[in-house]
Amino acid sequence: AQRVTQPEKLLSVFKGAPVELKCNYSYSGSPELFWYVQYSRQRLQLLLRHISRESIKGFTADLNKGETSFHLKKPFAQEEDSAMYYCASRRGYTDKLIFGTGTRLQVFP
Amino acid sequence: NAGVTQTPKFQVLKTGQSMTLQCAQDMNHNSMYWYRQDPGMGLRLIYYSASEGTTDKGEVPNGYNVSRLNKREFSLRLESAAPSQTSVYFCASRAAPGLADFGTFGEQFFGPGTRLTVL
Repeated sequence: AQRVTQPEKLLSVFKGAPVELKCNYSYSGSPELFWYVQYSRQRLQLLLRHISRESIKGFTADLNKGETSFHLKKPFAQEEDSAMYYCASRRGYTDKLIFGTGTRLQVFP
Repeated sequence: NAGVTQTPKFQVLKTGQSMTLQCAQDMNHNSMYWYRQDPGMGLRLIYYSASEGTTDKGEVPNGYNVSRLNKREFSLRLESAAPSQTSVYFCASRAAPGLADFGTFGEQFFGPGTRLTVL
């Protein structure tokens, strides 16, 4: 079955430290991958998608087909990055997404 | 634009009671979704509707029913609530991708959530 795995429930770093939130997927075809973020008391919102190859709020994510990974990275974490981050994959060519279990990022001052 | 709205924001039910969660979007999106969010489980799809008049099961449909009333509204009904349905429920709608991204999965827009407790 197609799966998205986020191995870390919680990631704590200090402000200015690099951040990497891990995401691995299982899909033999060409995946469509996303990162969604939920800040405290806000709605879940799209952070970035791999086909756009953008950097949003300093975050980047590169699709690594060899490692089946789509890790989210930021070189210098900020306190306002503290949030819940979900990796998601489109289920095949359907109208559905599969979400990982999420990683809570805490950035301490 | 209000985006995706959900009512109610909070609800407490007793086991066996029924209720309907309402969702509406004003973005003219075809696809709408209902998810539940549980600690350690992430978001799991309950039901979705690819277009007005169609609905399909997601990963965890048991104990739920849905109605796509029109293009704007997609409701989720619990006929006989159980404690296992205690969760935060999110509605979402999905934008169609632009021409440059034709065939890809457009951005999902989420509602604020409904926190449901079943005693």
